[in-house]
Order: sequence, then C-alpha cells, then structure tokens
Amino acid sequence: NAGVTQTPKFRVLKTGQSMTLLCAQDMNHEYMYWYRQDPGMGLRLIHYSVGEGTTAKGEVPDGYNVSRLKKQNFLLGLESAAPSQTSVYFCASSRDDTDTQYFGPGTRLTVL
Amino acid sequence: AQSVTQLGSHVSVSEGALVLLRCNYSSSVPPYLFWYVQYPNQGLQLLLKYTTGATLVKGINGFEAEFKKSETSFHLTKPSAHMSDAAEYFCAVSPSGSARQLTFGSGTQLTVLP
Repeated sequence: NAGVTQTPKFRVLKTGQSMTLLCAQDMNHEYMYWYRQDPGMGLRLIHYSVGEGTTAKGEVPDGYNVSRLKKQNFLLGLESAAPSQTSVYFCASSRDDTDTQYFGPGTRLTVL
Repeated sequence: AQSVTQLGSHVSVSEGALVLLRCNYSSSVPPYLFWYVQYPNQGLQLLLKYTTGATLVKGINGFEAEFKKSETSFHLTKPSAHMSDAAEYFCAVSPSGSARQLTFGSGTQLTVLP
C-alpha cells in the first residue's frame, strides 16, 4: 500500500515548455486534489476531482489543466510554463469531501 | 470569506519544553479547524481536527488544540517537545468541513533545540 505517489519528484523547465505531473493513489479514493505551495504561503487548491471523469477548478486554476481518466490517477498539465509556476506541487486524495486527505510527497518544479 | 493567521513563521523551543503554535481564524459560519504537519521532503499529514462538540481536541504524537470561539483561536500545544517534532505546521479552516473549501495558514516552522 503506497498511498499517494507523485511523479516526477523534481523538474526544471524553460519558459514555454509543457509538462505533465502524475498523481496516483491506491486507496480507491473518489476525491483527488492538486495544490501548489509557495514560500510564506499555505497550500492553494488548483483543481480537484470528485470522481473518475470529473474535474473542477479550485482557487488558482489559471495556466493548468487536469484529467482524471482513471479513478486512481489525476494528471496536472502545464501547457506553456511560466516562471510564476515555479512551486512545489502536492497531490492529495480522500474518500469523500469531508474525510481525511492523504498527501503525496510533492513535486518541486522550477521554471526558468 | 475565511482566513487563517498563524502568528510566528518560526518558533524555536528546547527539547522537553512546551510547544505553543498560534492560530487565529475568521469565518462567517461555524468553522471546522485543522492542524497539519509537514516533515522535510514529505507531504502534509493531519495532526488533528475540530468539527463540533468538545473544544479540546487531541491528536497524534501528543499534540492537542483548543477551540476558543470567543477568541477565534485554535492554538496547538504539546507539553514536552521532542527532536522529532521539528517540522512545519499548518493551521487550516473550512466552513463546512469540505476539503474543497480549505484555507491554509502560511505555516510555522518549529525548530527543537537540544
């Protein structure tokens, strides 16, 4: 039982490049979330999903897209990376909307 | 609208001393309150949460927090700090317990001195 895993752990991009972050969970959770964490700030919700095939915008969705084609996976895409997207990205999952969230170890992304 | 203020971005205590991390919130409705811990290079882990009922909430690793409505506070305490408590701690509030509506504070980095 690995919980929530994230791939990759680190990535450096140049402005304008694209990439996809993968989140996988093996707990059969319905809800999945993507957050970003910036210095001196708490986590902010980018997008979330309440089940396979569904996605919704969070607090800071601009510049990101997501997909939930399989229940266990939640992908976060950056189509054209910008320096402002330099951050640590965390994925989380939960059984339902009010249940405990389980977080992955994070992906540290730097955009030059 | 809701917000969370964590007083002190860095707190240092000696091993064995009392840990007190402060959190104040604003919420237009009765809040659900949370404390999370983030160890180096790891994701957040739930320490404890307040929903309704008893205002003193006990969590993992000997931590507890007290909901004080009159002071709009939810401070985190531990009687005796251990070296393994060194981490970053986040307070969070949600108006309904919904994870989609969580607002996090900016975090407090706890250092435990030998």
